[in-house]
Amino acid sequence: EDQVTQSPEALRLQEGESSSLNCSYTVSGLRGLFWYRQDPGKGPEFLFTLYSAGEEKEKERLKATLTKKESFLHITAPKPEDSATYLCALYYSSASKIIFGSGTRLSIRP
Amino acid sequence: DTGVSQDPRHKITKRGQNVTFRCDPISEHNRLYWYRQTLGQGPEFLTYFQNEAQLEKSRLLSDRFSAERPKGSFSTLEIQRTEQGDSAMYLCASRARDRDGYTFGSGTRLTVV
Repeated sequence: EDQVTQSPEALRLQEGESSSLNCSYTVSGLRGLFWYRQDPGKGPEFLFTLYSAGEEKEKERLKATLTKKESFLHITAPKPEDSATYLCALYYSSASKIIFGSGTRLSIRP
Repeated sequence: DTGVSQDPRHKITKRGQNVTFRCDPISEHNRLYWYRQTLGQGPEFLTYFQNEAQLEKSRLLSDRFSAERPKGSFSTLEIQRTEQGDSAMYLCASRARDRDGYTFGSGTRLTVV
């Protein structure tokens, strides 16, 4: 049973074309939702933590939002350097560790 | 502090050989985690230390895998009698508190030939 589902699996955008990535979850007792960026051959790089529904965080062209069932990572006017895999991860009440989704591979064409 | 360090970055080994990876976490982080990641997938949990105590191991961690964290500082992950299915990126992460996100190292890419 998948607890964290990310969609789409892959997304190709033109430079400047805004879009959103989705992370839906089925766990109860969410204690934190995390977004990471991962470049090929490297470890994930921390972007945001969201703790409660309604919370929003922003960093440059990225904005993360959280509801009771899902999170969105909005990317505004993306640039080629935003190309990467974006991972969503959860920490919940009965777990001692973070669980990850499979990621969305984002490609931005110049 | 330069973050989480992993060594080596790449390892190529023959099937049946033993390999050992090292992770140096951020010094003030007492929680240390090992994950494995294969192509196109998210990281999968392997094991977790709080200080020197190994508190949880995944069912993914067969008897061929062992991890240690002596004195609650660096950690090692050993794989004995490697198999081709062990080929993956092995990631180490640390954090100070349960609600924090992880800080990851750059990973060790293992290729078993």
